[in-house]
Amino acid sequence: GESVGLHLPTLSVQEGDNSIINCAYSNSASDYFIWYKQESGKGPQFIIDIRSNMDKRQGQRVTVLLNKTVKHLSLQIAATQPGDSAVYFCAENGDAGNMLTFGGGTRLMVKP
Amino acid sequence: DGGITQSPKYLFRKEGQNVTLSCEQNLNHDAMYWYRQDPGQGLRLIYYSQIVNDFQKGDIAEGYSVSREKKESFPLTVTSAQKNPTAFYLCASSIQGRLLREQYFGPGTRLTVT
Repeated sequence: GESVGLHLPTLSVQEGDNSIINCAYSNSASDYFIWYKQESGKGPQFIIDIRSNMDKRQGQRVTVLLNKTVKHLSLQIAATQPGDSAVYFCAENGDAGNMLTFGGGTRLMVKP
Repeated sequence: DGGITQSPKYLFRKEGQNVTLSCEQNLNHDAMYWYRQDPGQGLRLIYYSQIVNDFQKGDIAEGYSVSREKKESFPLTVTSAQKNPTAFYLCASSIQGRLLREQYFGPGTRLTVT
């Protein structure tokens, strides 16, 4: 079946550097995408979302890029801080339309 | 403060016992969801409810049951029929509307069955 996946399970970056977390999706019907951050032992926290009629959306220190041609989603975090250390999930709605399918997650580790 | 609460944070049960996990939200959201998360894996949908007194099975509903008698509450029962109940359980809610919106998650309940 079609699914959401991630290229890298673990990403290690130096504090202050920019981070890029990638997500590949295979369902061309998906028109809504979300990035979540999950700290150890806690529930996922919404970061930013994007709809398929856009290719870029910016938030505070975060930017989501959507490339529908190659079915690729990325989350960019500027000036990464130790507090950014967490697992990041992407999610898409796919064929279900009103339900979300979650990827496996990428662990971001920030070195001081 | 508005949000989703789950209780308890940690729960221990003996094999063969049913256990009910609580989920309450005061966000006035119509839709509520239950997910299961296993170590190093993504979220898998157990059950969801888009309106009071109605709920639908998700991808892994076997061995679980839910009720939705009130808009604010969506308890999940893990029955003895669930073969591998030890996991981290997450409840979420969202606004229902023409466009899909983000889901807000509770802090989770870690269930350990021995």
